[in-house]
Amino acid sequence: EVQLVETGGGLVQPGKSLKLTCATSGFTFSTAWMHWVRQSPDKRLEWIARIKDKSNNYATDYVESVKGRFTISRDDSKSSVYLQMNSLKEEDTATYYCTAQYGYWGQGVMVTVSS
Amino acid sequence: DVVMTQTPVSLSLAIGQPASISCKSSQSLLGTSGKTFLNWILQRPGQSPKRLIYQVSKLYSEVPDRFSGSGSETEFTLKISRVEAEDLGVYYCWQGTHFPQTFGGGTKLELK
Repeated sequence: EVQLVETGGGLVQPGKSLKLTCATSGFTFSTAWMHWVRQSPDKRLEWIARIKDKSNNYATDYVESVKGRFTISRDDSKSSVYLQMNSLKEEDTATYYCTAQYGYWGQGVMVTVSS
Repeated sequence: DVVMTQTPVSLSLAIGQPASISCKSSQSLLGTSGKTFLNWILQRPGQSPKRLIYQVSKLYSEVPDRFSGSGSETEFTLKISRVEAEDLGVYYCWQGTHFPQTFGGGTKLELK
């Protein structure tokens, strides 16, 4: 059974940092390109980051709105992908999902940025 | 960025009726590889999105064959031959051809 489990969300003040973890199982993680997608309170979905596999030098891409503030990374030995979020803004408030290139989605984790 | 426009915004149908959802993109989704990276996902109430269709018309293995996808270039359609109760929720189209990947605004399928 494929599983993607996100953790690390919560309430954080503007300007602070948070790190999300997505632990996976049930598929060949090492060759999968992994993504983070977020869903705002009004239910709009936004792709925010991607990391490719080792054969593609773990190349990363980001949507403009998070570039320079968020960092996606992975640990193939743990079948996990991470999202380091710095300088958080209120507009980053959303449910964050990790997804795998085969169409799998995690259950999501909520991040609320508020003073 | 590629804008994905879905219509209708909501759909109210009885069990057993057919459903059709349109998704239009602001640019052609035909990639240089010759593939069209247009996906459909379903988000049931209170759940995370689930995969349905990839590359316009290919169903994932667990998806019932009452679902079908079609289209090309900038116009795409998701059809359900006969709606069942488990099909209720919000359907999103999603393009992966152009950077950044972008989603449609969603179509909510409700029971009449």
